[in-house]
Amino acid sequence: ELKVEQNPLFLSMQEGKNYTIYCNYSTTSDRLYWYRQDPGKSLESLFVLLSNGAVKQEGRLMASLDTKARLSTLHITAAVHDLSATYFCAVYPYGGATNKLIFGTGTLLAVQP
Amino acid sequence: GAGVSQTPSNKVTEKGKYVELRCDPISGHTALYWYRQSLGQGPEFLIYFQGTGAADDSGLPNDRFFAVRPEGSVSTLKIQRTERGDSAVYLCASSARGQGSNEQFFGPGTRLTVL
Repeated sequence: ELKVEQNPLFLSMQEGKNYTIYCNYSTTSDRLYWYRQDPGKSLESLFVLLSNGAVKQEGRLMASLDTKARLSTLHITAAVHDLSATYFCAVYPYGGATNKLIFGTGTLLAVQP
Repeated sequence: GAGVSQTPSNKVTEKGKYVELRCDPISGHTALYWYRQSLGQGPEFLIYFQGTGAADDSGLPNDRFFAVRPEGSVSTLKIQRTERGDSAVYLCASSARGQGSNEQFFGPGTRLTVL
């Protein structure tokens, strides 16, 4: 059974600091998705990573994928309060052959002024 | 264009009652998914439709849960004899399956509370 784990589960950081959220998954997949969720809201797509070595950046967020290590990272540069939210990674098992996204446990990010 | 929409946004019901939750996917998206999200957790897969048929219903927790998509667009998730443990946010997503990233786009969710 595919498991997706995120680390840390909760992150409190100061504005201007850098940090990385890690997403590990337990079986083969070559595509990984990052979503953001604000309290009481739905999921907003951030990044789609479709191959080993993929790197994508949007503003202060950068995501990467290492399929050999079964690891994705979401790096936050010079955090600002507006980035406070819960971040989920999600994986299609078996390289997208099936159709259900398996989500990680989520990382609650709180950026303090 | 319009995103995925879900109605109602909130539903409060009593234990034992029947509820229906509606999802209207992005126009042209052939794939539709239902997930359930409990407080503090990530979404959990329930069922996937490709067109009108349920291609994978392995996530439905028991036979009280049922979903339909009769015309390949709007879908309804039906829950019979609701239990307090069914309380959660029910999310719907759609994707243009078979094209590129197969990225799923989520609706705002229906918050179901069973008293």
